[in-house]
Amino acid sequence: DQQVKQNSPSLSVQEGRISILNCDYTNSMFDYFLWYKKYPAEGPTFLISISSIKDKNEDGRFTVFLNKSAKHLSLHIVPSQPGDSAVYFCAASWGLYGQNFVFGPGTRLSVLP
Amino acid sequence: KAGVTQTPRYLIKTRGQQVTLSCSPISGHRSVSWYQQTPGQGLQFLFEYFSETQRNKGNFPGRFSGRQFSNSRSEMNVSTLELGDSALYLCASSEQRDRGIDTQYFGPGTRLTVL
Repeated sequence: DQQVKQNSPSLSVQEGRISILNCDYTNSMFDYFLWYKKYPAEGPTFLISISSIKDKNEDGRFTVFLNKSAKHLSLHIVPSQPGDSAVYFCAASWGLYGQNFVFGPGTRLSVLP
Repeated sequence: KAGVTQTPRYLIKTRGQQVTLSCSPISGHRSVSWYQQTPGQGLQFLFEYFSETQRNKGNFPGRFSGRQFSNSRSEMNVSTLELGDSALYLCASSEQRDRGIDTQYFGPGTRLTVL
């Protein structure tokens, strides 16, 4: 049973528009959420995170929203750029020191020029 | 600081062989986790080591094992390789400084192909 779900395997967006990537989770014990970006032949790169005590975190063009009651989080990229084209993984963690990481299956984002 | 390094980057083995992959974490990071990524799958958690002890383990058979050394470097071993073990194996390290808040930093991965 997948504890972290990313129901859209792929997403295409026009350059300059907003990209919204969604993630749902089932385990109420998760208290820290992260987004990673992955290019082919490279390891994932940390993008942005949010603690369960917050509902929004912003870093430049990237904003993550958390809706705990719906067990849903989303990553907004505004404006989208061609260099943002990659696979985005949502991850959730829990535990005394956040060591129990669970990753979603990923969403492939294509930003079209 | 240097990032997480993994060696080798590419490896080709045949069924039944065994393989050892190595990971050097970011200096000062004490937690090392291993993940398997196969086409169409997310990152499947293998295990996590902290201070030379396996602290967490995913749902993989006993053919997959690992260890961590006193300098936090970690190795992962897969015995009796099967075709389905072909994957990208990723290592991630984290500082484990703050309770409940931690970020993993990934290495480039080792691409294992089993023929």
